[in-house]
Amino acid sequence: AQSVTQLDSQVPVFEEAPVELRCNYSSSVSVYLFWYVQYPNQGLQLLLKYLSGSTLVKGINGFEAEFNKSQTSFHLRKPSVHISDTAEFFCDVSVGSNQAGTALIFGKGTTLSVSS
Amino acid sequence: DVKVTQSSRYLVKRTGEKVFLECVQDMDHENMFWYRQDPGLGLRLIYFSYDVKMKEKGDIPEGYSVSREKKERFSLILESASTNQTSMYLCASSPPGAAYQPQHFGDGTRLSIL
Repeated sequence: AQSVTQLDSQVPVFEEAPVELRCNYSSSVSVYLFWYVQYPNQGLQLLLKYLSGSTLVKGINGFEAEFNKSQTSFHLRKPSVHISDTAEFFCDVSVGSNQAGTALIFGKGTTLSVSS
Repeated sequence: DVKVTQSSRYLVKRTGEKVFLECVQDMDHENMFWYRQDPGLGLRLIYFSYDVKMKEKGDIPEGYSVSREKKERFSLILESASTNQTSMYLCASSPPGAAYQPQHFGDGTRLSIL
């Protein structure tokens, strides 16, 4: 069975500092990986995705993530955060070769709090 | 832009009531999903549908049912609401290829069962 672990439930940082939000997964088959962001009182929106190819993936709002197959990780990074980056972040791991067999697993979320 | 619209942002119901949560998407997506979101538990998949009248159970289907009579609409039904179903409910849709297509989410319905 697949699983997703977001290693930090809360990450407090100061504005303009770098940040890394960690995501590890376990799966015996190939996976597709996503990071979503949820701003207060909103639904989730896609930050970035890894399907295949280059292991470094760039997303919106200056975020990027690196897929590491040997460590089964997909950590999210930003070199310099802003107050407006305060949000909850979800790592999502998907497997499946057909519609009926798809498994979609979200991590429990990491709350990023940026202060001045 | 894809728009996923959930009929209510806030809803208050009583235990034992039959509750309907409605979701409509405007991009002709085949896949639609219902999740519940609870603090510390993240998103948990209740049901998803990959075609009209088709449904698949997710991780926590107990106490819920769904209906998809039209492609654009996916309804979540609480047959007899209980207080442990108080939660934020999120609907999402995606094109074919549910595993590798990003999902588009509505803004959520915060449901309180009293």
